[in-house]
Amino acid sequence: AQSVTQPDIHITVSEGASLELRCNYSYGATPYLFWYVQSPGQGLQLLLKYFSGDTLVQGIKGFEAEFKRSQSSFNLRKPSVHWSDAAEYFCAVGAGGDDKIIFGKGTRLHILP
Amino acid sequence: EPEVTQTPSHQVTQMGQEVILRCVPISNHLYFYWYRQILGQKVEFLVSFYNNEISEKSEIFDDQFSVERPDGSNFTLKIRSTKLEDSAMYFCASKEGVNTGELFFGEGSRLTVL
Repeated sequence: AQSVTQPDIHITVSEGASLELRCNYSYGATPYLFWYVQSPGQGLQLLLKYFSGDTLVQGIKGFEAEFKRSQSSFNLRKPSVHWSDAAEYFCAVGAGGDDKIIFGKGTRLHILP
Repeated sequence: EPEVTQTPSHQVTQMGQEVILRCVPISNHLYFYWYRQILGQKVEFLVSFYNNEISEKSEIFDDQFSVERPDGSNFTLKIRSTKLEDSAMYFCASKEGVNTGELFFGEGSRLTVL
């Protein structure tokens, strides 16, 4: 069965610092991988996705993620965070086709001024 | 930009009452989903819907839940007799086709059961 693990429940970084949010997945084949962001009281916005090809994918708002098959990881990175990046970040995995996607428990990002 | 819209944004109901949450998916999308997020917890899959029938449902989606797409536009989630533990944010999502994995989510409907 598919599963997603986000080991960090909360992460706090200073504004301007770099960021890496961890995500590990369990899936039998090559998965479809996603990062979504949720601001308080808001819906889920797609940051980026990986289906195939280049393992380093670029997303919106300056985010990128790297798919590492050997580590079953899809970590999210940003070189310099802004106060507006404070939100909850969800990693998700799917099989493609008509399949659902499964979310991790999320990582809440706090930004220090 | 096309978006998934959900109504109501917030509904308060008494335990045992029926609730219908409505969603208008993106117009050319073929696959539809409902997810639930209990406050402070992860986003959980409830049900997927394609070609006017349920494709898959989770253990959460018991006989109290039903979905339908009555008019080819709206996609509804009905909870027949609400329980306190049904209080959550409910997200509708849609997907264009088989070869696209990305789900587009609505802003959610917050359900509070008293």
